[in-house]
Amino acid sequence: DVKVTQSSRYLVKRTGEKVFLECVQDMDHENMFWYRQDPGLGLRLIYFSYDVKMKEKGDIPEGYSVSREKKERFSLILESASTNQTSMYLCASRGRGAEQYFGPGTRLTVT
Amino acid sequence: DQQVKQNSPSLSVQEGRISILNCDYTNSMFDYFLWYKKYPAEGPTFLISISSIKDKNEDGRFTVFLNKSAKHLSLHIVPSQPGDSAVYFCAASGGSNYKLTFGKGTLLTVNP
Repeated sequence: DVKVTQSSRYLVKRTGEKVFLECVQDMDHENMFWYRQDPGLGLRLIYFSYDVKMKEKGDIPEGYSVSREKKERFSLILESASTNQTSMYLCASRGRGAEQYFGPGTRLTVT
Repeated sequence: DQQVKQNSPSLSVQEGRISILNCDYTNSMFDYFLWYKKYPAEGPTFLISISSIKDKNEDGRFTVFLNKSAKHLSLHIVPSQPGDSAVYFCAASGGSNYKLTFGKGTLLTVNP
């Protein structure tokens, strides 16, 4: 069975803090993705990675960076958290097909 | 510029009846379409997909129809059950791009 895990389900951080969101997949997938979901805006792609150490910007990369040192792990970094980054963050991975498999999400609140 | 549009933010249906969720797209390069279901505080789960070489794909209670000339697809759920109440996202991909482009979602409520 496909499994994508995220390090935290709920996170509360202060403005200006550096925040790390971790995602791990156990399917040996090459492609991994970070999205955020906001009411009325759907899922928006932040960054994706198609191989170890390879990354590409998605539609809304500003304020974020990513790291992929190992195939199974893809990290999203908020260099200096701001209140407008309060959101649900979703990690996904993709194998040979077009289907992406999502983790349970991290609800991040920045105060 | 929204390339995948779900124009109905919400839909309410009686249990046992048909639910029809609609999705329109503008990018002619899209050749594969997917539907995802999402419960609150959970990640989306893949439901069903269709390739552009087909016009229909069926999996149990779920059927997706694709009308390429109209750039329109729909998801039919028959019969609808209360457990189907969730947000449904339409997504599309095309070419060698790894990315999925998602619509904004439709909240389906199935009333007992």
